[in-house]
Amino acid sequence: DAKTTQPPSMDCAEGRAANLPCNHSTISGNEYVYWYRQIHSQGPQYIIHGLKNNETNEMASLIITEDRKSSTLILPHATLRDTAVYYCIVRVKKGGGSYIPTFGRGTSLIVHP
Amino acid sequence: EAGVTQSPTHLIKTRGQQATLRCSPISGHTSVYWYQQALGLGLQFLLWYDEGEERNRGNFPPRFSGRQFPNYSSELNVNALELEDSALYLCASSSPGLADEQFFGPGTRLTVL
Repeated sequence: DAKTTQPPSMDCAEGRAANLPCNHSTISGNEYVYWYRQIHSQGPQYIIHGLKNNETNEMASLIITEDRKSSTLILPHATLRDTAVYYCIVRVKKGGGSYIPTFGRGTSLIVHP
Repeated sequence: EAGVTQSPTHLIKTRGQQATLRCSPISGHTSVYWYQQALGLGLQFLLWYDEGEERNRGNFPPRFSGRQFPNYSSELNVNALELEDSALYLCASSSPGLADEQFFGPGTRLTVL
């Protein structure tokens, strides 16, 4: 699986958009970008994933650059409950080949009032 | 719908002992994944079971082992415990097929004294 690079920490004002970047310059053509978050002392929570098109769901939007070497997770209106560690991982889907998801250390997002 | 459950919540062992951790996936999910999260670190992939078979394992010694039962629940066994095995052990499950959003349990906190 490709490695990812994320800033160790970010902060955001409540109600504003939080934009979390992720670099994955060695991503392969069949690897997807997944985002999870982990609120303190809880198990990680799936947020969104994509291959090459931008994706949106009720939690967030995922913007993937055209060359697929980087992506941005957007929380459009951050709340205090969005304070968490956000993990960006890239990997093939099941059945697509070697499957060892690597979470790394993620970005610690702090949303302040 | 019940989520992924793990037991016990906390486990305290001494060096050299064995630990058994249990995971029940979401109903209908056939894949179970195990991760180790040491304090302050990201998630390290341990094992992946699908339809009762071990499909892949991360870079951990053989004293980390497990199995998946016919009802898709899973056990993680850690033999000859070492101090550095102290960590949060997370289990995740996903549905059959290539859809691969993983849903995590709350984890088991293992402390080795």
